[in-house]
Amino acid sequence: EAGVVQSPRYKIIEKKQPVAFWCNPISGHNTLYWYRQNLGQGPELLIRYENEEAVDDSQLPKDRFSAERLKGVDSTLKIQPAELGDSAVYLCASSLEMDNEQFFGPGTRLTVL
Amino acid sequence: TQLLEQSPQFLSIQEGENLTVYCNSSSVFSSLQWYRQEPGEGPVLLVTVVTGGEVKKLKRLTFQFGDARKDSSLHITAAQPGDTGLYLCAGTGTSYGKLTFGQGTILTVHP
Repeated sequence: EAGVVQSPRYKIIEKKQPVAFWCNPISGHNTLYWYRQNLGQGPELLIRYENEEAVDDSQLPKDRFSAERLKGVDSTLKIQPAELGDSAVYLCASSLEMDNEQFFGPGTRLTVL
Repeated sequence: TQLLEQSPQFLSIQEGENLTVYCNSSSVFSSLQWYRQEPGEGPVLLVTVVTGGEVKKLKRLTFQFGDARKDSSLHITAAQPGDTGLYLCAGTGTSYGKLTFGQGTILTVHP
């Protein structure tokens, strides 16, 4: 069974540019999570989806970050415009339901110059 | 906000040594998980503990959940170079299904 797929794996952009990350969760997993992991830190939840509904986006900086999960499967996370402090690894995870084991993708490493 | 503090932040040891990583909070968690993360990969779940005082063993790894469900420890016996990685604890608290991660412990085991 394929795991969580993320693309791109690496992205380097200049500040003020837009960037988008894509996530394909494990087939059949209803819950999808986006995390940000700064260097030397643990992941921090940005947004959690239950099917296509965002049930927890309290940590998402809504002035520049947006996310969507059309049809309750794939998801995209967008930053516009990017700032230097956005440099981090963006992880996507999925689980069958909330409170089930979360399976993480390999992440997208974003560098903002 | 529920916080988890891990210690130590860095650990560099020789193959064959034992080690313990600690995860502490002032908050009560309904469950606590330990993950291992390798460079360029996402975290992988090692174990989940849910009962105060619970002890789980996974080969050379022993996990313990504190009686009050506010702290946990991970003990590795006879560490091997393959144990090298970032170890993360994560707790589920009052928000259903939401994980709060500690800042992680970077373990390096030298041959």
